[in-house]
Amino acid sequence: EPEVTQTPSHQVTQMGQEVILRCVPISNHLYFYWYRQILGQKVEFLVSFYNNEISEKSEIFDDQFSVERPDGSNFTLKIRSTKLEDSAMYFCASSEGGLAGGPHEQFFGPGTRLTVL
Amino acid sequence: KNQVEQSPQSLIILEGKNCTLQCNYTVSPFSNLRWYKQDTGRGPVSLTIMTFSENTKSNGRYTATLDADTKQSSLHITASQLSDSASYICVVSMDSNYQLIWGAGTKLIIKP
Repeated sequence: EPEVTQTPSHQVTQMGQEVILRCVPISNHLYFYWYRQILGQKVEFLVSFYNNEISEKSEIFDDQFSVERPDGSNFTLKIRSTKLEDSAMYFCASSEGGLAGGPHEQFFGPGTRLTVL
Repeated sequence: KNQVEQSPQSLIILEGKNCTLQCNYTVSPFSNLRWYKQDTGRGPVSLTIMTFSENTKSNGRYTATLDADTKQSSLHITASQLSDSASYICVVSMDSNYQLIWGAGTKLIIKP
C-alpha cells in the first residue's frame, strides 16, 4: 500500500542552524502539506502546496520557513534559522484532491521529530 | 472564531467495553468532518470523513455520527481492543480554503 515517507525520523540541531525536512508524498497525489505538533499540543497547519506553488499558509509559516518540490518525488520544508520553539514533530501529508474541493483523504507520514538545542 | 472542541480530554476503559468520544465545532463555512487516530509519536491516520449530508459513517468497529444542525459529532468505538489506545482527533475542513481546523484530541487508554 502506498504511503508517505519522511526523513530523517529525528533531527537534532543547534539554535540558528538551517534544517531541511524531507518528504516523499504518495506518487499520484497532487496536493502536499506540512503540519507541526509541539509535544502535547494540537496539530497545527503550516502550509499547503499545489502545482509548484504555495496555495495556503498559516501565520506560523513566516519568512524563516520555505517549501520546495525539487524533483518529481520529494517535497521539502526548510527552516532557515531554527529557534528553540521550533522543536516539534513535523508531519508531511498528501492528498489526491484539494481539501477545498471536497472530502479528499489526507495521508500523513510518520513525522520528523525536530529538537533544537 | 473557527474552533473544534473535544471531550473528554482523556478516557480509560477496560478492554472489550464500548466508548463514545464527543466533538463540537464552530467552523464556517463547513465542508466536512474527519476523525483521525494518532498513535503516540506517529502521524494521524484517517478513520472517517463525513460531509454535511451524512449522518453516520462506519469503519469497522468505529462509527462516527454528525449533526450538522447542532454542529456536533461523535465517535463510537465498539468492543475496544488494546490497540485502540491512542489519541482520537476531530478535524473540520472549511469549504473556502485548504486548511483543516484541528481539535486537541481525546487520549483513550484501553486497560486489559
